[in-house]
Amino acid sequence: GQSLEQPSEVTAVEGAIVQINCTYQTSGFYGLSWYQQHDGGAPTFLSYNALDGLEETGRFSSFLSRSDSYGYLLLQELQMKDSASYFCASNTGGFKTIFGAGTRLFVKA
Amino acid sequence: EPEVTQTPSHQVTQMGQEVILRCVPISNHLYFYWYRQILGQKVEFLVSFYNNEISEKSEIFDDQFSVERPDGSNFTLKIRSTKLEDSAMYFCASSEKGQVHNYGYTFGSGTRLTVV
Repeated sequence: GQSLEQPSEVTAVEGAIVQINCTYQTSGFYGLSWYQQHDGGAPTFLSYNALDGLEETGRFSSFLSRSDSYGYLLLQELQMKDSASYFCASNTGGFKTIFGAGTRLFVKA
Repeated sequence: EPEVTQTPSHQVTQMGQEVILRCVPISNHLYFYWYRQILGQKVEFLVSFYNNEISEKSEIFDDQFSVERPDGSNFTLKIRSTKLEDSAMYFCASSEKGQVHNYGYTFGSGTRLTVV
């Protein structure tokens, strides 16, 4: 089967750094994406890793290790507005991307 | 910034009725998708569409579902005979390329479908 596993919840303090992990098992793998979703909103694309290593976009970074079937999203200098759900997603080739169950991030003051 | 537009934002329908959810993808995008999200759960793939035909579909996308691109701009999802378990948020998405490069998918704001 195809699955992506991520923690259900993470809590962190404003200004801190938090890492959200994702392990995947998919038939066919082209890359790992990360999406942010605020309550009642649409998923918003954050980043994509096709190759091993770290991709940095402002306060957000994403990492991929294909040999470990593992990736993570790193959020630095956390702000209250970062409180949201974060989904890792795997493009399995061609025309389909499947999503993990999401990690709900709570940022505390 | 270009966006994907979905209408209506909310739809309430009686069980057994047909509904059509509408989407206007980003104009230069070639690949279109429907996803759904039951409240509090993950985003589930339904179907992808390219070159005027379905390119891939999930096991959820059974015979009661159909998609169409009736003109150059609209992309619709039809549910023929709705069931209670079809209640969910339905997201349309589009992408410039079939494989996710560093552009990702652009999602619309969704249609909340409630079947009563």
